[in-house]
Amino acid sequence: DIQMTQSPSSLSASVRDRVTITCRASQSINKYLNWYQQKPGKAPKILIYGASSLQSGVPSRFSGSGSGTDFTLTITSLQPEDFATYYCQQTYTTPTWTFGQGTKVEVK
Amino acid sequence: EVQLVESGGGLVQPGGSLRLSCAASGFTVSSNFMTWVRQAPGKGLECVSFIYTGGSTYYADSVKGRFTISRDQSKNTVYLQMNSLRAEDTAVYYCARDYYYGAGPLGSYFDYWGQGTLVTVSS
Repeated sequence: DIQMTQSPSSLSASVRDRVTITCRASQSINKYLNWYQQKPGKAPKILIYGASSLQSGVPSRFSGSGSGTDFTLTITSLQPEDFATYYCQQTYTTPTWTFGQGTKVEVK
Repeated sequence: EVQLVESGGGLVQPGGSLRLSCAASGFTVSSNFMTWVRQAPGKGLECVSFIYTGGSTYYADSVKGRFTISRDQSKNTVYLQMNSLRAEDTAVYYCARDYYYGAGPLGSYFDYWGQGTLVTVSS
């Protein structure tokens, strides 16, 4: 199975900060990489698919980049509602989709 | 409006069984790839089972031989039958729709999720 490793596991940030989360795959996954946001007690929500495509309705402060094995999720100006846990997911090796371990974005 | 509603979770003893249900509205489950994803307390996300449009199924190694995914077209519902439950199966179980944005078998994301149902395996 492809292993997905996110870094950092957690970070502390302030409103209006620029936040960057990285995700590395154990082998090339082309651009088949998704990003989700999860808030406590809620189901995950899709933010970015295909490494860089913004899901409809998601604010433009979220962006994704990368291909192959290295990917990045960037939040350009962190808002209060963005404090959450973020997960990457590869959909290259059907059907054994795997997630990263998550990155928790906390209030500094 | 698309909606997924899970039910069937609860407390069960090790070795016991539960059947989870995921009732869909706003789309047809048999025309979509559907999945069950679980999240142990304080942990990450794990895909445990898929059912394809043609009826083929997939299971993670951690549940193979113990869990069975199925669907009922007349009820527009997906099920997860869980047998021989273990403490490590304790988790919130979500059903989700796997939406393919590409032309081939790769490139998808889970676009709709249920609210989750908690399964606790404990004596």
